[in-house]
Amino acid sequence: GAVVSQHPSWVICKSGTSVKIECRSLDFQATTMFWYRQFPKQSLMLMATSNEGSKATYEQGVEKDKFLINHASLTLSTLTVTSAHPEDSSFYICSARRYVGTEAFFGQGTRLTVV
Amino acid sequence: QQQVKQSPQSLIVQKGGISIINCAYENTAFDYFPWYQQFPGKGPALLIAIRPDVSEKKEGRFTISFNKSAKQFSLHIMDSQPGDSATYFCAASVEYGNKLVFGAGTILRVKS
Repeated sequence: GAVVSQHPSWVICKSGTSVKIECRSLDFQATTMFWYRQFPKQSLMLMATSNEGSKATYEQGVEKDKFLINHASLTLSTLTVTSAHPEDSSFYICSARRYVGTEAFFGQGTRLTVV
Repeated sequence: QQQVKQSPQSLIVQKGGISIINCAYENTAFDYFPWYQQFPGKGPALLIAIRPDVSEKKEGRFTISFNKSAKQFSLHIMDSQPGDSATYFCAASVEYGNKLVFGAGTILRVKS
C-alpha cells in the first residue's frame, strides 16, 4: 500500500498557542486528503476534506477559523490548530487518496496535548 | 446522528475462538464498507472491505458478511490470536476512497 506520513507524531503545546501538523503522501500524489479527530477511547470523526489547490470543506460543527487546513501541493496538507486549548487535545489523523475512486490511506496520527 | 452503529463495545474471546463484530448502517447511498484495526497510539489500518454487490468476502482469517436488505455487515475473525487484540472499527462511505463514517469501535481482547 501507499505510505502516508504525519509529522510530528506527538506534540505538546501551551494553551493559546498554535500548532501545525503535516500530512505527506510519500510515494504518490494525493488530490484529496481527509482530516479526522479521535478523542480517547472514541471513534474517528471527520473534520474536513481537503482538495489540492482549493479551500477545504469542513464538516458541520468544525470551526474553520480554528482548524486551518492547507493543501498547497499534491503531497502535502497541513492542519493548524490556532489558539489551542486543552479541549483540543486529541489524536489527529489524516488520510490521502490519489483521486476519486481510489483507496484512501491513513497516516500514523499525531497526538496533540495542550497544557 | 450516528449513521453506522457498531456492537459490541468490547469483546473477550479465547485464543482460537471466533470473534464477531456487527455493524448496521442507515444511509442506503453507502457503497463501500471497510473494517479497520487500530492499535493504541497508531492510525487505523485497513483489514478488509466489501462492496454491496457481494454477500461475503474472505481474506485469510478475516471474513466480512454483508446483508444489503438488512443494511448490516459483520466481521468474523477466525482462530483469534492474542496479537489480534486491538480496537476494530467498521466504516462506510459513499464511493470507494471517499470520506468515511466510522462506527464507535469494538475493543477486542483475545485471551491466551
